[in-house]
Amino acid sequence: DQQVKQNSPSLSVQEGRISILNCDYTNSMFDYFLWYKKYPAEGPTFLISISSIKDKNEDGRFTVFLNKSAKHLSLHIVPSQPGDSAVYFCAATYYGGSQGNLIFGKGTKLSVKP
Amino acid sequence: DAGITQSPRHKVTETGTPVTLRCHQTENHRYMYWYRQDPGHGLRLIHYSYGVKDTDKGEVSDGYSVSRSKTEDFLLTLESATSSQTSVYFCAIKRTENYGYTFGSGTRLTVV
Repeated sequence: DQQVKQNSPSLSVQEGRISILNCDYTNSMFDYFLWYKKYPAEGPTFLISISSIKDKNEDGRFTVFLNKSAKHLSLHIVPSQPGDSAVYFCAATYYGGSQGNLIFGKGTKLSVKP
Repeated sequence: DAGITQSPRHKVTETGTPVTLRCHQTENHRYMYWYRQDPGHGLRLIHYSYGVKDTDKGEVSDGYSVSRSKTEDFLLTLESATSSQTSVYFCAIKRTENYGYTFGSGTRLTVV
């Protein structure tokens, strides 16, 4: 059973508009969440993270929102740029669980059209 | 970036042959991981290591073994490769400061 779910395999957005990528989780023990970005033929790279004690974390054009009661987080990219076109993975972990290993979702492929 | 390299970058092998993929890091991180990425499955953990000679299984460990005899090297071995092991394999290290992982560039393995 999937503990971290990204239900949208793909998302297409116009350049300059907002991209919203969603992620749901089932394990209430998770206390740290991360987003990774992956370009073709490259390894995933860390994008932004959020601790469960916060409900929002911002880094430039990227903002992650956490709704613990709904077990939902989202990544907002504003404004979207063609260079943001990539696969985005949501990941979660919790202190003391499975050596702190990250559990990844299946990813959402974002296409930003000029 | 974090000094993590994977070799080879590409490999084609025949069914039934043994294959070893290498992950090398230069920053002395304790935790290292092997993932595979497949369409529709995202990143799935194969094995991980939490120190020299300390390893454990991930969710898709069948058909794979690992070894870590030195802090800097983490080897993934397919004892007898099968077509279902055709995939892109990523090695990662864990950064203690933010739980985040740094990934290598990947190895594309094709089993024919």
